[in-house]
Amino acid sequence: GAGVSQSPRYKVTKRGQDVALRCDPISGHVSLYWYRQALGQGPEFLTYFNYEAQQDKSGLPNDRFSAERPEGSISTLTIQRTEQRDSAMYRCASSYRNRGQTTDTQYFGPGTRLTVL
Amino acid sequence: KQEVTQIPAALSVPEGENLVLNCSFTDSAIYNLQWFRQDPGKGLTSLLLIQSSQREQTSGRLNASLDKSSGRSTLYIAASQPGDSATYLCAVTNAGGTSYGKLTFGQGTILTVHP
Repeated sequence: GAGVSQSPRYKVTKRGQDVALRCDPISGHVSLYWYRQALGQGPEFLTYFNYEAQQDKSGLPNDRFSAERPEGSISTLTIQRTEQRDSAMYRCASSYRNRGQTTDTQYFGPGTRLTVL
Repeated sequence: KQEVTQIPAALSVPEGENLVLNCSFTDSAIYNLQWFRQDPGKGLTSLLLIQSSQREQTSGRLNASLDKSSGRSTLYIAASQPGDSATYLCAVTNAGGTSYGKLTFGQGTILTVHP
């Protein structure tokens, strides 16, 4: 079946503009995660949804970053007033469900490469 | 705060060699540890997942071990092939908190296998 998809794959924007990054998880997956990956580093957690509820947003760098998943499926990560330091690969992952003290494998999308000029 | 470190940062080997990638983590209170493979332009692919109660997992030529108490894991790749060339990432899921499944990654090991 289809994997996690993200759009756009590449986004170039000017400093100060707002951007919206989209994630379409695997159908039926309850949990959705956003990560940010700088060049040469591993991904860093941004935020997490269970169904439509944002359970943890502790990784969002500041209040310019926000995320939503209104119907418990597609999610959007929005960055307002972008800055050059926001340039990175933004990755989305989904998993079937989280059950108490165990977790399912996360399936990652191809990412959106954001460049802020 | 959990920190994950991977050694070496890069590794270049001739085809056919057996190799070991290392991962260490500072907080032993984890649910599981995963090894991922990252190819350019693609997403991350989960290779092996070891639950905290397990000591190792095997898949084909890959074997991952976990020593939770010492905060270490190794990924062993047997008879390496050029197609194994990629970045390998280690990630742990911390126990407790509200984000079940939140992964903390290492910085990765870039593996190059020469024909």
